[in-house]
Amino acid sequence: GAGVSQSPRYKVAKRGQDVALRCDPISGHVSLFWYQQALGQGPEFLTYFQNEAQLDKSGLPSDRFFAERPEGSVSTLKIQRTQQEDSAVYLCASSLTGTANGYTFGSGTRLTVV
Amino acid sequence: QKEVEQNSGPLSVPEGAIASLNCTYSDRGSQSFFWYRQYSGKSPELIMFIYSNGDKEDGRFTAQLNKASQYVSLLIRDSQPSDSATYLCAVNEAGGSQGNLIFGKGTKLSVKP
Repeated sequence: GAGVSQSPRYKVAKRGQDVALRCDPISGHVSLFWYQQALGQGPEFLTYFQNEAQLDKSGLPSDRFFAERPEGSVSTLKIQRTQQEDSAVYLCASSLTGTANGYTFGSGTRLTVV
Repeated sequence: QKEVEQNSGPLSVPEGAIASLNCTYSDRGSQSFFWYRQYSGKSPELIMFIYSNGDKEDGRFTAQLNKASQYVSLLIRDSQPSDSATYLCAVNEAGGSQGNLIFGKGTKLSVKP
């Protein structure tokens, strides 16, 4: 596609519910990144894929967070047993060559846990 | 803890003036530096990146890097009301994966007509 597509755009979850956030990167982009942006903060790195391989997951805040990209294109970020502190905008970005020239963000998914 | 520091602002400048946005970083091994612009409720968009000490110009934007001082700045000439946004400084993490950018909290810029 023309840009990085994320869905849903907004998600309200009850505390304890599981959620799945989808990212469809720019066609041909091998690198895919997930970031979490809390209100008034800069984005914080969660995890990074090169094709289907998850090369870095050091930013995932707990074992409730899981990401996958099984076929090297679409990625899903799953959060189990959501907590209020998980409320944030989840940004996906893709790049042709890693971070060398920066990357393109999707519109994000705003998750609100109530 | 590797950090990127920015003044949160708001920084208010009149239309047509030069806006100067500053950023310091703690990781001396960082090699790549980025400026993103984020409008309220929107995702960040890349404005410029810089790797070498000195200045890099692109239209009305100039990025400046001083690795010895661990300082990077963004100058916006002839500021326009449409430049009003939050500007995020980002730095790659030395030794990290290619994906690991560390962002500052951003500086909110307001350009008054």
